Amino acid sequence: GPKVLQIPSHQIIDMGQMVTLNCDPVSNHLYFYWYKQILGQQMEFLVNFYNGKVMEKSKLFKDQFSVERPDGSYFTLKIQPTALEDSAVYFCASSLGRYANSDYTFGSGTRLLVI
Amino acid sequence: GQQVKQSSPSLTVQEGGISILNCDYENDMFDYFAWYKKYPDNSPTLLISVRSNVDKREDGRLTVFLNKSGKHFSLHITASQPEDTAVYLCAAEQQGTGSKLSFGKGAKLTVSP
Repeated sequence: GPKVLQIPSHQIIDMGQMVTLNCDPVSNHLYFYWYKQILGQQMEFLVNFYNGKVMEKSKLFKDQFSVERPDGSYFTLKIQPTALEDSAVYFCASSLGRYANSDYTFGSGTRLLVI
Repeated sequence: GQQVKQSSPSLTVQEGGISILNCDYENDMFDYFAWYKKYPDNSPTLLISVRSNVDKREDGRLTVFLNKSGKHFSLHITASQPEDTAVYLCAAEQQGTGSKLSFGKGAKLTVSP
């Protein structure tokens, strides 16, 4: 079936630097999401995005985080500056409709290590 | 706190047996419940889901049972196969308020030949 692609699959970055995680969603999907999974913990919702705007964000979505999807290209998560506690796997997802029963499709994740 | 909990982190079943995975939740406003399957370094993929207006849904070897009063749902896999070996994530959503899934930590199912 249609896939969500995440680039890169792994990233190592020095604390304090900026990182951008890229997500290529399913082509006709309209809603986009980021989830964060710290090692040994559950996946947790960060943010959802629709029509060029953030609809909802969790308390994990710090001021250092931002998302955008310029001109219908990659949906990106930028962290600036990075902190050690940002080390996690970040999963992107997209869906056709607003809720999880609308072809909600996840990517394979980007493993971010901040050192 | 964690809104969705999988109390058993691992389960081993003999090939051909029934695998039962359990999930408890705290938010009684959740109205959508799902099970995802995940292989290492791969994306979670939806296996089966159910809305809160039904107690049970079957799809082939998979059955989801929902117990709303007990805030509990489970996944039963009959005739378990070695290829069922994976991590299983339960998830729930309150669909009236916005699109965000709450996940359990996952349970590793191993089906031994």
